Amino acid sequence: EDKVVQSPLSLVVHEGDTVTLNCSYEVTNFRSLLWYKQEKKAPTFLFMLTSSGIEKKSGRLSSILDKKELFSILNITATQTGDSAVYLCAVEGDFGNEKLTFGTGTRLTIIP
Amino acid sequence: DTEVTQTPKHLVMGMTNKKSLKCEQHMGHRAMYWYKQKAKKPPELMFVYSYEKLSINESVPSRFSPECPNSSLLNLHLHALQPEDSALYLCASSQGRTGATGELFFGEGSRLTVL
Repeated sequence: EDKVVQSPLSLVVHEGDTVTLNCSYEVTNFRSLLWYKQEKKAPTFLFMLTSSGIEKKSGRLSSILDKKELFSILNITATQTGDSAVYLCAVEGDFGNEKLTFGTGTRLTIIP
Repeated sequence: DTEVTQTPKHLVMGMTNKKSLKCEQHMGHRAMYWYKQKAKKPPELMFVYSYEKLSINESVPSRFSPECPNSSLLNLHLHALQPEDSALYLCASSQGRTGATGELFFGEGSRLTVL
């Protein structure tokens, strides 16, 4: 059974700090790893990673995948109160295992 | 138009009622999904439709019945639900060109309460 483990489960930091969120996984026939941000309602897409060692970047957010060690990190620099959310990591399989399995998420709270 | 629209946003129903949740997308996506999310838990996959055919059913009880009338619409018919079925039901779509999920676009969800 596919498994995604995120850590920490929750994190409280001050505005301006840098945070690193972790995601480790086990999946049959790995295809991709995705990061989502969920505030009150629907998760919104952040990144999709398929290749090891290539950093994806969007403003203050960046993410990298290590396919050998089976993990990914999401970095947020110069955090703002609007970054407060649950960050979900999900992995997708291939060859008959084409579905996303989500981790339990990291709840990030930014204190002004 | 990059939206997935779900209706209703909120639904309260009794255990003997029959109701439906609806989902619509106009992005030309060929894969559509139903997820169930309980409070403080991640979304759990229920069903996947690929090219209007049911491709994945994650052992969901038969009181949940999905329907895909066309490539833009996805319904979830509800009948004889239990209070533990109360949750946020999320619809999502993806391009699904090669059968892979890829980036999912989620709707805002339908919050269901079963009394």
